[in-house]
Amino acid sequence: NAGVTQTPKFRVLKTGQSMTLLCAQDMNHEYMYWYRQDPGMGLRLIHYSVGEGTTAKGEVPDGYNVSRLKKQNFLLGLESAAPSQTSVYFCASEERKFQLTSTDTQYFGPGTRLTVL
Amino acid sequence: QQPVQSPQAVILREGEDAVINCSSSKALYSVHWYRQKHGEAPVFLMILLKGGEQKGHDKISASFNEKKQQSSLYLTASQLSYSGTYFCGTDPTSNTGKLIFGQGTTLQVKP
Repeated sequence: NAGVTQTPKFRVLKTGQSMTLLCAQDMNHEYMYWYRQDPGMGLRLIHYSVGEGTTAKGEVPDGYNVSRLKKQNFLLGLESAAPSQTSVYFCASEERKFQLTSTDTQYFGPGTRLTVL
Repeated sequence: QQPVQSPQAVILREGEDAVINCSSSKALYSVHWYRQKHGEAPVFLMILLKGGEQKGHDKISASFNEKKQQSSLYLTASQLSYSGTYFCGTDPTSNTGKLIFGQGTTLQVKP
């Protein structure tokens, strides 16, 4: 099992460029998440998905779009990158079906470090 | 509303104990604890659900007081491997998965 993988690991963009970050999980998890992490800010939820074909907004969704066409993949898109989107992006997945239990765990990918110039 | 963690940073010697607190202004259903080492992804430690439970994981344990909307993480007899940044994530519901994370507490354990 590879767990949760993210592509690419690093990327530098110019303001206004677009890109897609790919998250893949091989654990057949229903829930998937995209977070960004900035110094001193902790993790902030961008968008999430509770199953194939579904997406929902998190805490900081502006400037991002997502798609979950296949259960194992969750894509995060930046249509027109801005310097404020410079951050480390983490994807996570979780098995939970609907109700949270004490054994539920979010598994995080290794992260993508994005710099927007 | 982001939960507030305290302290922001703590330095320990091996073998000493530490307590990290997480307080929310909103009613909570669950509190999730993670540890992140520099340059790595966060790693899950434990979840505490509404009901005021306590959990243990080796020498790391946690409590959740839903009336006070607080959770505490207890690290006993700290080891060098405990160094890192600890985050609490809070969720007021049972089924959305929308965690709000605190700003983190940096723990450094010295020999």
